[in-house]
Amino acid sequence: DQQVKQNSPSLSVQEGRISILNCDYTNSMFDYFLWYKKYPAEGPTFLISISSIKDKNEDGRFTVFLNKSAKHLSLHIVPSQPGDSAVYFCAASRNSGNTPLVFGKGTRLSVIA
Amino acid sequence: NAGVTQTPKFRVLKTGQSMTLLCAQDMNHEYMYWYRQDPGMGLRLIHYSVGEGTTAKGEVPDGYNVSRLKKQNFLLGLESAAPSQTSVYFCASTQGYQPQHFGDGTRLSIL
Repeated sequence: DQQVKQNSPSLSVQEGRISILNCDYTNSMFDYFLWYKKYPAEGPTFLISISSIKDKNEDGRFTVFLNKSAKHLSLHIVPSQPGDSAVYFCAASRNSGNTPLVFGKGTRLSVIA
Repeated sequence: NAGVTQTPKFRVLKTGQSMTLLCAQDMNHEYMYWYRQDPGMGLRLIHYSVGEGTTAKGEVPDGYNVSRLKKQNFLLGLESAAPSQTSVYFCASTQGYQPQHFGDGTRLSIL
Protein backbone atom coordinates (compact mmCIF):
# COMPACT_ATOMS: atom_id res chain seq x y z
CA ASP A 1 0.00 0.00 0.00
CA GLN A 2 1.56 3.26 -1.14
CA GLN A 3 1.57 5.78 1.69
CA VAL A 4 2.87 8.68 -0.42
CA LYS A 5 1.46 9.12 -3.90
CA GLN A 6 2.52 11.32 -6.76
CA ASN A 7 -0.11 10.59 -9.36
CA SER A 8 1.42 12.58 -12.21
CA PRO A 9 4.50 10.83 -13.63
CA SER A 10 5.35 13.85 -15.75
CA LEU A 11 4.55 17.52 -16.23
CA SER A 12 5.53 20.01 -18.95
CA VAL A 13 5.48 23.74 -18.33
CA GLN A 14 6.60 26.74 -20.32
CA GLU A 15 9.46 28.83 -19.02
CA GLY A 16 8.23 31.69 -16.85
CA ARG A 17 4.95 29.98 -15.95
CA ILE A 18 4.02 28.32 -12.67
CA SER A 19 4.77 24.64 -12.10
CA ILE A 20 2.52 22.83 -9.63
CA LEU A 21 3.52 19.39 -8.44
CA ASN A 22 1.10 17.43 -6.28
CA CYS A 23 1.47 14.79 -3.60
CA ASP A 24 -1.08 12.87 -1.53
CA TYR A 25 -0.49 10.79 1.57
CA THR A 26 -2.55 8.24 3.45
CA ASN A 27 -0.81 7.92 6.82
CA SER A 28 -2.28 10.47 9.25
CA MET A 29 0.76 10.00 11.51
CA PHE A 30 3.00 11.83 9.02
CA ASP A 31 3.90 15.25 10.39
CA TYR A 32 6.88 16.33 8.32
CA PHE A 33 7.03 16.61 4.55
CA LEU A 34 9.86 17.29 2.15
CA TRP A 35 10.47 17.81 -1.54
CA TYR A 36 13.64 16.56 -3.18
CA LYS A 37 14.90 17.34 -6.66
CA LYS A 38 16.90 14.84 -8.69
CA TYR A 39 18.96 15.32 -11.84
CA PRO A 40 20.09 12.31 -13.92
CA ALA A 41 23.14 10.49 -12.55
CA GLU A 42 23.02 12.48 -9.31
CA GLY A 43 21.56 11.86 -5.90
CA PRO A 44 18.39 13.62 -4.73
CA THR A 45 18.96 17.07 -3.23
CA PHE A 46 16.76 18.64 -0.60
CA LEU A 47 14.56 21.46 -1.85
CA ILE A 48 12.04 22.52 0.78
CA SER A 49 10.14 21.09 3.73
CA ILE A 50 7.05 21.78 5.81
CA SER A 51 5.93 20.74 9.25
CA SER A 52 2.32 19.79 9.91
CA ILE A 53 1.95 22.80 12.21
CA LYS A 54 2.17 25.04 9.15
CA ASP A 55 0.15 25.21 5.96
CA LYS A 56 2.68 27.06 3.82
CA ASN A 57 6.42 27.42 3.56
CA GLU A 58 8.23 29.63 1.07
CA ASP A 59 11.83 29.70 -0.11
CA GLY A 60 12.51 31.98 -3.04
CA ARG A 61 10.73 30.65 -6.11
CA PHE A 62 9.57 27.53 -4.26
CA THR A 63 6.49 27.31 -2.06
CA VAL A 64 5.03 24.22 -0.47
CA PHE A 65 1.39 24.12 0.62
CA LEU A 66 -0.02 21.57 3.05
CA ASN A 67 -3.71 20.70 3.38
CA LYS A 68 -3.89 18.32 6.34
CA SER A 69 -7.59 17.65 6.09
CA ALA A 70 -7.18 16.51 2.49
CA LYS A 71 -3.82 14.83 3.19
CA HIS A 72 -2.43 16.73 0.24
CA LEU A 73 0.60 18.87 -0.41
CA SER A 74 1.78 20.74 -3.44
CA LEU A 75 4.99 22.37 -4.60
CA HIS A 76 4.71 25.60 -6.59
CA ILE A 77 7.63 26.87 -8.63
CA VAL A 78 7.27 30.46 -9.86
CA PRO A 79 8.60 31.39 -12.31
CA SER A 80 9.71 28.07 -13.78
CA GLN A 81 13.16 27.96 -15.37
CA PRO A 82 14.75 25.41 -17.73
CA GLY A 83 17.18 24.46 -14.93
CA ASP A 84 14.20 23.29 -12.89
CA SER A 85 13.77 20.36 -15.28
CA ALA A 86 14.32 17.32 -13.06
CA VAL A 87 12.46 14.59 -11.20
CA TYR A 88 10.78 15.81 -8.01
CA PHE A 89 10.15 13.46 -5.12
CA CYS A 90 7.71 14.08 -2.32
CA ALA A 91 8.65 12.45 1.01
CA ALA A 92 6.98 12.15 4.40
CA SER A 93 8.02 11.24 7.90
CA ARG A 94 6.65 10.81 11.41
CA ASN A 95 7.92 12.21 14.69
CA SER A 96 8.90 15.57 13.18
CA GLY A 97 11.28 13.97 10.73
CA ASN A 98 13.10 11.71 13.16
CA THR A 99 11.99 8.51 11.44
CA PRO A 100 12.88 7.15 7.98
CA LEU A 101 11.36 8.98 5.03
CA VAL A 102 8.71 7.43 2.80
CA PHE A 103 9.02 8.60 -0.79
CA GLY A 104 6.56 8.98 -3.61
CA LYS A 105 7.39 7.68 -7.07
CA GLY A 106 8.37 11.09 -8.40
CA THR A 107 7.17 13.53 -11.05
CA ARG A 108 9.37 14.44 -14.01
CA LEU A 109 9.14 18.17 -14.67
CA SER A 110 10.15 19.53 -18.05
CA VAL A 111 10.39 23.29 -18.39
CA ILE A 112 10.29 24.29 -22.03
CA ALA A 113 12.10 27.43 -23.14
CA ASN B 1 33.65 18.91 2.01
CA ALA B 2 32.73 15.64 0.25
CA GLY B 3 29.41 15.03 2.05
CA VAL B 4 28.20 11.51 1.23
CA THR B 5 30.46 9.39 -0.98
CA GLN B 6 29.41 6.08 -2.49
CA THR B 7 31.83 3.47 -3.82
CA PRO B 8 31.77 2.09 -6.50
CA LYS B 9 29.73 4.21 -8.91
CA PHE B 10 29.07 1.34 -11.33
CA ARG B 11 29.33 -2.42 -11.09
CA VAL B 12 28.26 -5.43 -13.11
CA LEU B 13 27.87 -8.75 -11.30
CA LYS B 14 26.93 -12.26 -12.29
CA THR B 15 24.06 -14.00 -10.53
CA GLY B 16 25.28 -15.58 -7.31
CA GLN B 17 28.28 -13.30 -6.81
CA SER B 18 28.66 -11.25 -3.69
CA MET B 19 29.70 -7.67 -3.21
CA THR B 20 29.75 -4.79 -0.75
CA LEU B 21 28.72 -1.20 -1.43
CA LEU B 22 30.42 1.40 0.71
CA CYS B 23 28.89 4.65 1.91
CA ALA B 24 31.07 7.19 3.71
CA GLN B 25 29.99 10.53 5.19
CA ASP B 26 32.18 13.24 6.66
CA MET B 27 29.44 15.26 8.41
CA ASN B 28 29.50 13.30 11.69
CA HIS B 29 25.88 12.27 11.13
CA GLU B 30 24.30 9.70 13.43
CA TYR B 31 21.67 8.41 11.00
CA MET B 32 22.48 6.63 7.74
CA TYR B 33 20.22 4.97 5.17
CA TRP B 34 20.36 2.73 2.12
CA TYR B 35 17.70 3.06 -0.59
CA ARG B 36 17.16 1.50 -3.96
CA GLN B 37 15.56 3.26 -6.90
CA ASP B 38 13.88 1.29 -9.64
CA PRO B 39 12.11 2.74 -12.70
CA GLY B 40 8.68 4.04 -11.72
CA MET B 41 9.13 2.99 -8.09
CA GLY B 42 10.67 5.97 -6.35
CA LEU B 43 13.13 5.38 -3.52
CA ARG B 44 12.54 2.43 -1.23
CA LEU B 45 14.32 2.02 2.08
CA ILE B 46 16.43 -1.14 2.41
CA HIS B 47 18.11 -0.77 5.81
CA TYR B 48 19.07 2.08 8.07
CA SER B 49 21.18 2.86 11.12
CA VAL B 50 20.53 5.29 13.97
CA GLY B 51 24.10 5.17 15.24
CA GLU B 52 27.38 3.29 15.26
CA GLY B 53 26.82 -0.40 15.85
CA THR B 54 23.06 -0.28 15.14
CA THR B 55 21.07 -1.38 12.11
CA ALA B 56 17.38 -1.80 11.34
CA LYS B 57 15.28 -3.16 8.47
CA GLY B 58 13.46 -0.92 6.06
CA GLU B 59 10.75 -1.62 3.52
CA VAL B 60 12.70 -4.02 1.25
CA PRO B 61 15.48 -5.68 3.33
CA ASP B 62 15.44 -9.22 1.87
CA GLY B 63 18.66 -10.28 0.17
CA TYR B 64 20.73 -7.52 1.78
CA ASN B 65 22.83 -7.17 4.91
CA VAL B 66 24.36 -4.05 6.44
CA SER B 67 26.98 -3.08 8.97
CA ARG B 68 27.82 0.17 10.76
CA LEU B 69 31.13 -0.57 12.52
CA LYS B 70 32.28 3.03 12.26
CA LYS B 71 30.09 6.11 12.55
CA GLN B 72 31.18 7.49 9.20
CA ASN B 73 30.68 4.29 7.18
CA PHE B 74 27.60 2.26 6.30
CA LEU B 75 28.12 -0.91 4.25
CA LEU B 76 25.50 -2.67 2.18
CA GLY B 77 26.18 -6.30 1.28
CA LEU B 78 24.69 -8.62 -1.27
CA GLU B 79 25.59 -12.19 -0.32
CA SER B 80 24.25 -13.88 -3.47
CA ALA B 81 23.25 -11.37 -6.12
CA ALA B 82 20.04 -11.89 -8.08
CA PRO B 83 18.83 -10.13 -11.26
CA SER B 84 15.99 -8.59 -9.20
CA GLN B 85 18.64 -6.62 -7.33
CA THR B 86 19.61 -4.71 -10.47
CA SER B 87 18.97 -1.14 -9.41
CA VAL B 88 20.47 2.21 -8.49
CA TYR B 89 21.44 2.30 -4.83
CA PHE B 90 21.52 5.54 -2.85
CA CYS B 91 22.99 6.18 0.53
CA ALA B 92 21.89 9.09 2.72
CA SER B 93 22.77 10.51 6.11
CA THR B 94 21.31 13.00 8.54
CA GLN B 95 21.59 14.41 12.02
CA GLY B 96 18.66 15.27 14.27
CA TYR B 97 15.81 16.81 12.30
CA GLN B 98 17.89 17.91 9.32
CA PRO B 99 16.95 16.78 5.80
CA GLN B 100 18.78 13.73 4.53
CA HIS B 101 21.88 14.28 2.40
CA PHE B 102 22.27 11.81 -0.45
CA GLY B 103 25.24 10.38 -2.30
CA ASP B 104 25.28 10.21 -6.10
CA GLY B 105 24.36 6.55 -6.24
CA THR B 106 25.79 3.18 -7.28
CA ARG B 107 24.40 1.70 -10.48
CA LEU B 108 24.41 -2.09 -10.10
CA SER B 109 23.60 -4.55 -12.89
CA ILE B 110 23.27 -8.26 -12.20
CA LEU B 111 23.35 -10.58 -15.19
